[in-house]
Amino acid sequence: LAKTTQPISMDSYEGQEVNITCSHNNIATNDYITWYQQFPSQGPRFIIQGYKTKVTNEVASLFIPADRKSSTLSLPRVSLSDTAVYYCLVGATDKLIFGTGTRLQVFP
Amino acid sequence: ETGVTQTPRHLVMGMTNKKSLKCEQHLGHNAMYWYKQSAKKPLELMFVYSLEERVENNSVPSRFSPECPNSSHLFLHLHTLQPEDSALYLCASSLASGGRTQETQYFGPGTRLLVL
Repeated sequence: LAKTTQPISMDSYEGQEVNITCSHNNIATNDYITWYQQFPSQGPRFIIQGYKTKVTNEVASLFIPADRKSSTLSLPRVSLSDTAVYYCLVGATDKLIFGTGTRLQVFP
Repeated sequence: ETGVTQTPRHLVMGMTNKKSLKCEQHLGHNAMYWYKQSAKKPLELMFVYSLEERVENNSVPSRFSPECPNSSHLFLHLHTLQPEDSALYLCASSLASGGRTQETQYFGPGTRLLVL
């Protein structure tokens, strides 16, 4: 099972771009990388998923280098409502391991 | 609204009580999951059901008993719980549970359980 490592917390201000990097050194060939967002007392919510290079949707971008041993979630122009915990996950759907995630605090 | 509902949203029970948590998904998914999230701890996967068959049980104590009567409903039966079982219990569903692709999981709002 691929283990992930993320910063425990990050601070930012409204309007800034936030980049959260996740390390997954033992990622398997078939593993996808998925990021979830969780607000207090709610279930996690899917943000973005990728396998390699770059993926972009209306919420975020995901950058994955060629060796796939890390990935970076990029949130453009964050707002106060982006304050949440962000989880990076790799591996099979029925064996996902949610780590402690990265607690992002956005200030006015 | 993710298409996954959970009831009740809050539950207080004594250690001798028997209660059940219910999860329902309206997404046509074939896999359902129970997670436990204790205060300041990561989510812990408890049970996985695929096409109504249990495929994963992560060494969960027998005082937690899951039931999946069909692909849309999932229950977690609770009996003789301990105070340390107090947590947020989250249900999730996905189109499938395995294979080459990591399927997106859709989570319910959770049931906040307090065991006295």
